[in-house]
Amino acid sequence: EVQLVESGGGLVQPGGSLRLSCAASGFTFSWYWMIWVRLAPGKGLEWVANINQEGSEKQYVDSVKGRFTISRDSAKNSLYLQMNSLSAGDAAVYYCARQIATAGNYYMDVWGKGTTVTVSS
Amino acid sequence: QSVLKQPPSVSAAPGQKVTISCSGSSSNIGSNYVSWYQLLPGTAPKLLIYDNDKRPSGIPDRFSGSKSGTSATLGITGLQTGDEADYYCGTWDYSLTAVVFGGGTKLTVL
Repeated sequence: EVQLVESGGGLVQPGGSLRLSCAASGFTFSWYWMIWVRLAPGKGLEWVANINQEGSEKQYVDSVKGRFTISRDSAKNSLYLQMNSLSAGDAAVYYCARQIATAGNYYMDVWGKGTTVTVSS
Repeated sequence: QSVLKQPPSVSAAPGQKVTISCSGSSSNIGSNYVSWYQLLPGTAPKLLIYDNDKRPSGIPDRFSGSKSGTSATLGITGLQTGDEADYYCGTWDYSLTAVVFGGGTKLTVL
């Protein structure tokens, strides 16, 4: 069964850090782009970051550039999101997803259930 | 403010049909494929439509997608109470060099 399972969410103080993980199974992880998407309370889906198969190409939404780092470990079939300098605006459910990325075509065909990040003092 | 524009809510009776619109621009919908996602609380988001109008395996043909110019539409026929969810459109925006989504549409099956 193709599956993505996120972990690492929790309560963190403003200015703090968290590292999210996403364990992939049931497919050849190294063949796919991967992506983090978040859903904040009362807001819509927002792309956060994505990474290519080799980990050599990374893209970020402007609001997290310089604070978040996406990475992957194909030996462990895992995707990560290091989040630093967190603020209330980063509070959300964070989803890991498998991304199909070709010219003019970007969609997410497999999603995890998400992990919740709460930022509060 | 989401780059793609969707109505905040739609509603219809069981068995009826509903459409959800997604409006964009030449830099996103106008030049790239559109996908649609279903979000139910506590569950993993589900891909409903990709490549504007294709359904992944396991998605019933009650769900359909179309695109014209800078707009896309999700259609759902034979509405069921289990279809109550939030629906999002998404695509790539080459001007923003970003994956972009609509603001989401909450479907209520009355």
